[in-house]
Amino acid sequence: DAGVTQSPTHLIKTRGQQVTLRCSPKSGHDTVSWYQQALGQGPQFIFQYYEEEERQRGNFPDRFSGHQFPNYSSELNVNALLLGDSALYLCASSLPGTGYSSPLHFGNGTRLTVT
Amino acid sequence: GNSVTQMEGPVTLSEEAFLTINCTYTATGYPSLFWYVQYPGEGLQLLLKATKADDKGSNKGFEATYRKETTSFHLEKGSVQVSDSAVYFCALLDGGYNKLIFGAGTRLAVHP
Repeated sequence: DAGVTQSPTHLIKTRGQQVTLRCSPKSGHDTVSWYQQALGQGPQFIFQYYEEEERQRGNFPDRFSGHQFPNYSSELNVNALLLGDSALYLCASSLPGTGYSSPLHFGNGTRLTVT
Repeated sequence: GNSVTQMEGPVTLSEEAFLTINCTYTATGYPSLFWYVQYPGEGLQLLLKATKADDKGSNKGFEATYRKETTSFHLEKGSVQVSDSAVYFCALLDGGYNKLIFGAGTRLAVHP
C-alpha cells in the first residue's frame, strides 16, 4: 500500500522562475493538503483540495496556487519565486471530513531551493 | 488567532534518560492536540493525539496529557533511546477540514 508520494525530492530554481510540485495521495484518500516548512520552523498550512476544488486556504499570497486531478493527485504551483520561498514542501492526504475524523498522512516532501 | 509554542531545542539526553518537551497552546475552545515526529529526511508521522481535556495520548512509550487549565500538552517518555532522536512537533486542529497549526519543533538528540 503506497503512502503519499511527492516529486521531485529536490529542486533548485532561480528567483522569478515558476515551479510545480507534485503529490500522489495515499491509496483510498481523496483530500490533499499542502504545507510549507521553512528551515528550523514548523509546517505552515498553504491550502487543501477536495473534489478538485480548493476547500481551505492559509495565509499565503496568490503566487501559490494548486490543482487537484480526477485521480486525486495534486500539484502545487509557485510563481515569481522569491528567496523566501526556499523550504520543504509537504503534501498530506486524508479522507474527507471535518475535525480529525481521518488522520493526515504526510509525504517526505520536496526540498525547494531558490537562488 | 490560534497558536502553539514549544520549548526551544536542541534537547540533548543520554540513553535511558527521562524526556519532557513542553508545549502550550492558545486557542478558542478546546481543539484536538497532537504530537508529530520527523526523522531525518522523512515527512511527519503522527505520534499521539488527544481530542478533549484530560485525555492522555500515548504511543511507543511517549505520553502527553491535555491540560486545559494550563493550556498545555507536554510530551514525556520515561526512558529515551538513540532511535528517538528526531524533531518533535506539537500541533492543534484549527477548525474543521484537518487544518493543523504546528509549533516550531524541538530537536531531540539522544546519545549512547
